[in-house]
Amino acid sequence: EVQLVESGGGLVQPGRSLKLSCAASGFTFSDYYMAWVRQAPTKGLEWVASISYDGGSTYYRDSVKGRFTISRDNAKSSLYLQMDSLRSEDTATYYCTTEGFDYWGQGVMVTVSS
Amino acid sequence: DVVLTQTPPTLSATIGQSVSISCRSSQSLLHSNGNTYLNWLLQRPGQPPQLLIYLVSRLESGVPNRFSGSGSGTDFTLKISGVEAEDLGVYYCVQSTHAPWTFGGGTKLELK
Repeated sequence: EVQLVESGGGLVQPGRSLKLSCAASGFTFSDYYMAWVRQAPTKGLEWVASISYDGGSTYYRDSVKGRFTISRDNAKSSLYLQMDSLRSEDTATYYCTTEGFDYWGQGVMVTVSS
Repeated sequence: DVVLTQTPPTLSATIGQSVSISCRSSQSLLHSNGNTYLNWLLQRPGQPPQLLIYLVSRLESGVPNRFSGSGSGTDFTLKISGVEAEDLGVYYCVQSTHAPWTFGGGTKLELK
């Protein structure tokens, strides 16, 4: 059974950092581009960042460039999102997903507030 | 960025009714490799999204065949032939032909 399990969310003050993790199982993790997609409360879906099979290429939406870093560890079948200089507008549920959107985690909530 | 416009934003249907959702793109989604990377997702209340249709019209494994996708270029349609109660939720189109990937605004399907 395919599973993507996110962790690391929580309440954080503006300007602080948080690191999300996504543990994958049930499929060959290294065969997939991976991505983070977020959803602000009561809003739609928004792509955040993507990473290639070996981590050699990364892509970000403009609003998070320079603040967020996506990475992966294929030996551990894990995906990460380091989020620095957090802003209130980063408040959202963050989903880990495969590039083709065929597998999704349950999501982890990140709240940025003082 | 590519803008995907979904209509209608809300759809009321009775069980068994057939419905369609439109997704229009601000530019062609035909990739230089010949594929069109337009997918449809369903997000049920309190759940993560799930993939229904990929590459415009290909049904994801395990998805009922009452769902179908069509279209090309900039105009795409998701059709549900005979709505069932489990189909309620928000439908999103999403494109990954052009970076950055973008999602439509969503269409909420509710019971009439």
